[in-house]
Amino acid sequence: SQTIHQWPATLVQPVGSPLSLECTVEGTSNPNLYWYRQAAGRGLQLLFYSVGIGQISSEVPQNLSASRPQDRQFILSSKKLLLSDSGFYLCAWSVGGDGTQYFGPGTRLLVL
Amino acid sequence: DQQVKQNSPSLSVQEGRISILNCDYTNSMFDYFLWYKKYPAEGPTFLISISSIKDKNEDGRFTVFLNKSAKHLSLHIVPSQPGDSAVYFCAARFQGAQKLVFGQGTRLTINP
Repeated sequence: SQTIHQWPATLVQPVGSPLSLECTVEGTSNPNLYWYRQAAGRGLQLLFYSVGIGQISSEVPQNLSASRPQDRQFILSSKKLLLSDSGFYLCAWSVGGDGTQYFGPGTRLLVL
Repeated sequence: DQQVKQNSPSLSVQEGRISILNCDYTNSMFDYFLWYKKYPAEGPTFLISISSIKDKNEDGRFTVFLNKSAKHLSLHIVPSQPGDSAVYFCAARFQGAQKLVFGQGTRLTINP
């Protein structure tokens, strides 16, 4: 069966510091991968998605970037964090068909 | 422009009764609709989905209804249980697209 991992689970970072969040998927090949953010009390905002290695689509211009160095690995990065980057970051995967997405456990990021 | 709307931010239902969560959409090019359940500090869990060619899909206690003419989607939970207390998101997929559009979520509370 397929599983999705995200780490770390929680992260507290100072403003201006860099960020790297990692997501990996097991048990499937060539998945579509997604990064979402949920701000406190808000809905799910799609940040990036990828349909293959090195292919990244950005949904919202912002302080973040994404990379997909391997088929089942998706990385969310920032060179300098802002206070507004605080939130709950979710990685998800899907494989063709109806497009149902399956989410990881999430990373809670607090920028101070 | 919010293409998928959940107009009720919260809903409170007595245990054993029916919970009805609603979702409206604006784009007739959506061809697939999904419901997700989310507990605090966890990733959303896929619940149930429906294709635009159907008007009803049932899975145990969960039934999703689709009214295309009204561009309205609803999730019925019968009977409601305490473990159903969570935030519920509806989502829609553009025909042939790889990404989903999410509503803002409805917090469901089941009271004993």
